[in-house]
Amino acid sequence: NAGVTQTPKFRVLKTGQSMTLLCAQDMNHEYMYWYRQDPGMGLRLIHYSVGEGTTAKGEVPDGYNVSRLKKQNFLLGLESAAPSQTSVYFCASSYQKGQAYNQPQHFGDGTRLSIL
Amino acid sequence: GDSVTQMEGPVTLSEEAFLTINCTYTATGYPSLFWYVQYPGEGLQLLLKATKADDKGSNKGFEATYRKETTSFHLEKGSVQVSDSAVYFCALSDEYSGAGSYQLTFGKGTKLSVIP
Repeated sequence: NAGVTQTPKFRVLKTGQSMTLLCAQDMNHEYMYWYRQDPGMGLRLIHYSVGEGTTAKGEVPDGYNVSRLKKQNFLLGLESAAPSQTSVYFCASSYQKGQAYNQPQHFGDGTRLSIL
Repeated sequence: GDSVTQMEGPVTLSEEAFLTINCTYTATGYPSLFWYVQYPGEGLQLLLKATKADDKGSNKGFEATYRKETTSFHLEKGSVQVSDSAVYFCALSDEYSGAGSYQLTFGKGTKLSVIP
């Protein structure tokens, strides 16, 4: 009963390096999301996807790119990591049923990313 | 735009004490309201939700009532346990929010510690 799985769980990068965070869900959900969580800031939406092959910007998209080539996977890329991107990243997914806005989101356990 | 304001933490209570975490919101449309809980080292889990005025969401002894007249969704529990120690997030999803009706707007979270 995996749900939403994020890899890796921890990563340390140097400024300027690139990396990709992987999110996989096995619930056949249409919608997927990437958030970052910073102390005192709650969760902020980076990018989201409403279906395979589609992506859209959230509240804080700068410095990140995403791809949704397969319905079950949602990738978050950092092209040139900066210390300001040190954060905990959460992926979530939700089911589309009627009016999507009242469907709960299911979260992964997060990726702790440190940029030195 | 939409926003969620919840009481600042941290909140420390003794076991069996009564818990209230205040949450108020502003929204363009008619939102659905959620409480999520985050245990240490884990992702967010849906605790309860309400989709229309006067609805009461409940789960694991926690309750919250959707009050449209006061734009509030306060979380309550009659008798907290040590296992309830976590961070609690109030959130809303609004059918008219921004680029799509799929986004959650989160409060900043309230950390609850319950001591024996």
